[in-house]
Parts: sequence; C-alpha cells; structure tokens
Amino acid sequence: GAGVSQSPSNKVTEKGKDVELRCDPISGHTALYWYRQSLGQGLEFLIYFQGNSAPDKSGLPSDRFSAERTGGSVSTLTIQRTQQEDSAVYLCASSSGGDSHYEQYFGPGTRLTVT
Amino acid sequence: AQSVAQPEDQVNVAEGNPLTVKCTYSVSGNPYLFWYVQYPNRGLQFLLKYITGDNLVKGSYGFEAEFNKSQTSFHLKKPSALVSDSALYFCAVRLYSSASKIIFGSGTRLSIRP
Repeated sequence: GAGVSQSPSNKVTEKGKDVELRCDPISGHTALYWYRQSLGQGLEFLIYFQGNSAPDKSGLPSDRFSAERTGGSVSTLTIQRTQQEDSAVYLCASSSGGDSHYEQYFGPGTRLTVT
Repeated sequence: AQSVAQPEDQVNVAEGNPLTVKCTYSVSGNPYLFWYVQYPNRGLQFLLKYITGDNLVKGSYGFEAEFNKSQTSFHLKKPSALVSDSALYFCAVRLYSSASKIIFGSGTRLSIRP
C-alpha cells in the first residue's frame, strides 16, 4: 500500500481483556514507532523499532504493554488486562533513514475504548 | 530533561491574517525539528523539518518555520491564513544523538475564522 495502515480502526473491549493492535508500515521503512494520543492531547511515545536492533521500550507505561515487529515489517502492540485508562488512539508511524532524516509517516490510528 | 513545549493550547486568527504557532525546545546537542498537522478525523501529516542550513524552512500548504538557536525556538508561520488551515499542530524534536527519541509537544489548536 501507499501509506501506513492500522487495524482495527476501532476497538471496544471490556476491562480486563487483552487486545492486539496491528500496524503495517510503508514498505522499505526500517523504523517503526508506536504512540498513544489521549483525547485532544499530545502524542505519548511508547516504543520504537529500528531494523534488527533491540527496540526502545522506554515509553511503555507498564508491563501490560508489549510490542513485536515480525520480519522487520508488520508490528503488533498488545495490551494485556486492559484498564479504562488505556482508552486512547494508538498511532503507528514509520520512517526511513537517509535523506528523509526520520520524517515520520503516520497511520490513521486505532481508537481503543475500554468499558 | 529534554522536552518540547507549545505554550498555546489554542490560537485564533482571522482569515487572511498572518499566523504564528509557537514551539520551544530544550535538548542537548543539535536537534532535528519537525512540524506535523492533524486535521479532524485524519492522521498526522508531515509539514516541514529543520535539519541544518538555512534557518527559514518552507513546507507544505504555504507554511514556513524559523529555527532560532539562541532562543531555542522553531515557530510555525504562514503569511495569510486560510479557514482550511484550522487543525491541531504538533511540534516535534528528534535528538541527533538518539536513534529513537522523537518528542512531541502537546499540540496547538489553530482556529481560523472567516
């Protein structure tokens, strides 16, 4: 595809359930980021993948959050035992190095609602 | 602590007037600076970036930004605002020394009245 895609676009789940959010980055982009955006707020960095390097997990808010990136492409963000405060829009972005100097391309996001 | 600040939650401008959306940063080393825009019900879009060179950077939709090292600022500007510029604007900084850390400001909502 031409851009970053994310699925599902909307997810409603009950408190305590696990959820998986998927991100398909732009083909060839080596860097992938996950952010969280609460209603009307700024972007909170969650995790970063770059090629085959160990991911930077410093933004994950708790050990209930984890992410994987398989084959250097698709990424899945997993939230275990969801809480109401996890409700937010989860954004994925990808970028390439070189001349683009880490300009990020964002997906449309997944809106997570925990009831 | 390294950070980026957008001191105004909201900026209101009349159509046709110049606009400025402010951004200041606090980082060690040389920063890469970015502006992104988020239109209602749409994803974030890249507007412009400063890496090195000319302090005045031109970007999409007629926007420009000026890097001021002494004031550690990177304000977004446009000479003549359009109603269609109404959106949420984010300033971001990437640390040259860091492969991963891209810090976003809290965002400024720009409202252009006809």
